[in-house]
Amino acid sequence: QKEVEQNSGPLSVPEGAIASLNCTYSDRGSQSFFWYRQYSGKSPELIMFIYSNGDKEDGRFTAQLNKASQYVSLLIRDSQPSDSATYLCAVNHQAGTALIFGKGTTLSVSS
Amino acid sequence: ETGVTQSPTHLIKTRGQQVTLRCSSQSGHNTVSWYQQALGQGPQFIFQYYREEENGRGNFPPRFSGLQFPNYSSELNVNALELDDSALYLCASSYGSLGTGNTIYFGEGSWLTVV
Repeated sequence: QKEVEQNSGPLSVPEGAIASLNCTYSDRGSQSFFWYRQYSGKSPELIMFIYSNGDKEDGRFTAQLNKASQYVSLLIRDSQPSDSATYLCAVNHQAGTALIFGKGTTLSVSS
Repeated sequence: ETGVTQSPTHLIKTRGQQVTLRCSSQSGHNTVSWYQQALGQGPQFIFQYYREEENGRGNFPPRFSGLQFPNYSSELNVNALELDDSALYLCASSYGSLGTGNTIYFGEGSWLTVV
């Protein structure tokens, strides 16, 4: 059973702080890793993807991948109230056909 | 805006009925995937179509079926609706399969309520 695990939260951080979201996965054959943001009642929106070990930065967002530990994380710097949403971690499965999603972590940024 | 459009946006059906959901993929994308997202859960992969052929399927019963058309648009059909089919149905398109540097983009989804 291929699984992706996330802490459901809620994760609460004050405005301007760094939010750290974590995700572990069970399939060592996974190749690509994705972070989606989902506002209540809306569809998931792609934030970042990463496929090489290390860090990948895009604006206030940094994705970190450690394949040996089967761990991927998302850091949000200078968190804003508009970042309050559910963050979904997804992992490539079945040789490129499907994404396996975690249940998501709810982030709340207070002003 | 991802360029992936879905219809209808909301619908209510009665248990036992059949439903068809539609999706137009982003221009240039030849692969369409369908996902089901129940309340409080992450999306679950239903199946994928590539060049009008089913190219992968998740753990969903045969009453979930689909089609892809020559223009790469797609339909999801669900027969004999059950209460647990109530969910957000997401269509996603991509160019080819997932891989390094390739990803999928979701449409706005279709909210299905089965009563």
